[in-house]
Amino acid sequence: KNEVEQSPQNLTAQEGEFITINCSYSVGISALHWLQQHPGGGIVSLFMLSSGKKKHGRLIATINIQEKHSSLHITASHPRDSAVYICASQPQGAQKLVFGQGTRLTINP
Amino acid sequence: NAGVTQTPKFRILKIGQSMTLQCAQDMNHNYMYWYRQDPGMGLKLIYYSVGAGITDKGEVPNGYNVSRSTTEDFPLRLELAAPSQTSVYFCASSTIYEQYFGPGTRLTVT
Repeated sequence: KNEVEQSPQNLTAQEGEFITINCSYSVGISALHWLQQHPGGGIVSLFMLSSGKKKHGRLIATINIQEKHSSLHITASHPRDSAVYICASQPQGAQKLVFGQGTRLTINP
Repeated sequence: NAGVTQTPKFRILKIGQSMTLQCAQDMNHNYMYWYRQDPGMGLKLIYYSVGAGITDKGEVPNGYNVSRSTTEDFPLRLELAAPSQTSVYFCASSTIYEQYFGPGTRLTVT
């Protein structure tokens, strides 16, 4: 069964801290997605990666295909980064995604 | 581009009533999806479509129906609403690289 597990489920940190959210998946994939769900409920796509590392501003996503593991890092965290971060795997040969439960991140000023 | 639009934003249904959640996209994407998100849970795929006239079931299709007569529109039909269908519903469309989500419809069945 294709499962996606995220850790931690909840994370509270102080402004400026370096944040890491982890994602493990159970089957071979063609891509791994990271999404952000704002407190108001809207969902936006942050990254899609199939190997290596991608960076956008203060956000960095990495993936290790052999270990079936991905991480999302936030450098110099800010209260506006407070959101739910969702990892989703895209199985090989499929366009549909399997989602993790999400990590609720709170950054205090 | 408006992106992915959903209507209504909120709806309260009585048990046994029916309704259609509307979804439209103006990006000419072939792939479209319906998800539900229950409190504290991850998104679950209800139905998806790979193009006009083609639909397929996801993980949790029971109690729902879809149609895809055009590339732009992908409505979700709830027949005989049940309290278990209380959830937030998201429609999405995608390229091969990225998913684009609508703002969601919060549905309560009482």
